[in-house]
Amino acid sequence: DTGVSQDPRHKITKRGQNVTFRCDPISEHNRLYWYRQTLGQGPEFLTYFQNEAQLEKSRLLSDRFSAERPKGSFSTLEIQRTEQGDSAMYLCASSLVGAQSSNQPQHFGDGTRLSIL
Amino acid sequence: AQSVAQPEDQVNVAEGNPLTVKCTYSVSGNPYLFWYVQYPNRGLQFLLKYITGDNLVKGSYGFEAEFNKSQTSFHLKKPSALVSDSALYFCAENFGNEKLTFGTGTRLTIIP
Repeated sequence: DTGVSQDPRHKITKRGQNVTFRCDPISEHNRLYWYRQTLGQGPEFLTYFQNEAQLEKSRLLSDRFSAERPKGSFSTLEIQRTEQGDSAMYLCASSLVGAQSSNQPQHFGDGTRLSIL
Repeated sequence: AQSVAQPEDQVNVAEGNPLTVKCTYSVSGNPYLFWYVQYPNRGLQFLLKYITGDNLVKGSYGFEAEFNKSQTSFHLKKPSALVSDSALYFCAENFGNEKLTFGTGTRLTIIP
């Protein structure tokens, strides 16, 4: 399978702990996005990368959240000092952007479901 | 602010009947519009997109959507519903290679 891969699929942790999620995009994709989806809602944008550069961060991304894409391939999303309100599905998506490939759709992974006890 | 609206939280359709899932957008300029489907505990699967050109866009699994600029709508349609079409459907927009803004979703249930 060459789709977007996210790990872990589920994470249960106690309030105040740190968690880290990983996303492996489709190999030739240069754009990588993180979204958060709470129950009954559509996904909300968090941040995105073009290669290794983080180009935009949402105001939803508090200073407890940090994302990296150090080599322009996989990305990690870390949440420090987790709170109850962080419970959600964290979705990663990737796309290929370039002169010959504009307007390509984003392809999503199956997400990491985070539950804060 | 740019946004998309899905006015129906839930749509029920009998198997074999045509289905429509509604979406309206509110924006100045020319948005790019998308439909995605989500099955339980899964990510979103791309169905179709409108960038420019023909107002009727054909996508995966027999779905199509009609872009209507005067009504600022982009409704998802299928001529004959299958039970396997039961899922959560999201309309989304962006302005080309940027973050997607999603609607709140419509739960489609196909009744056998």
